[in-house]
Amino acid sequence: SQQGEEDPQALSIQEGENATMNCSYKTSINNLQWYRQNSGRGLVHLILIRSNEREKHSGRLRVTLDTSKKSSSLLITASRAADTASYFCATDSGTASKLTFGTGTRLQVTL
Amino acid sequence: SAVISQKPSRDICQRGTSLTIQCQVDSQVTMMFWYRQQPGQSLTLIATANQGSEATYESGFVIDKFPISRPNLTFSTLTVSNMSPEDSSIYLCSVSKNRGDEQYFGPGTRLTVT
Repeated sequence: SQQGEEDPQALSIQEGENATMNCSYKTSINNLQWYRQNSGRGLVHLILIRSNEREKHSGRLRVTLDTSKKSSSLLITASRAADTASYFCATDSGTASKLTFGTGTRLQVTL
Repeated sequence: SAVISQKPSRDICQRGTSLTIQCQVDSQVTMMFWYRQQPGQSLTLIATANQGSEATYESGFVIDKFPISRPNLTFSTLTVSNMSPEDSSIYLCSVSKNRGDEQYFGPGTRLTVT
């Protein structure tokens, strides 16, 4: 079963705006990873945030983690049409590094 | 990050047949996994491919249906056996250099069963 729930399920914004996606999960984690997937192709790794970290940045991406609320958010600033994709969070719990994926957010960035 | 290739990239197969998918990594990795993504859905872990021993399967997946090999630290195969239309999915392998590290995915194999 899916551990993560993401919201919104779909998000449509205009180029230049910021996009925020949220991920909630149910159990304690070692880390949480965010991915991008374009049109059913392979997943591109965006950011890994560990359970003892609260915020990480990578270029136009900002990820936050609140372990007390069991939630994470991905912020994409100054979005571009090329950011159009599905975004997934995935949690690593336990000792086996297995990932449990969220339901995903479909982001549409229009010109 | 690791460079991961999968073969084939896509295939159309008849029901009752089997397909073997290959996953090759450009460097040695500790962890290799196989996931399935059904149409319009998120990813579900099938199994962890263990080097030199039997794979560890998740609930709902069995070795007879999805036999996996991992002969070394850079290569693994997943076979989808006795296929039915319900097996139509994207199958992805992923790798982590070590436990707890970033997990990188291959480009996926898009399987259609008719």
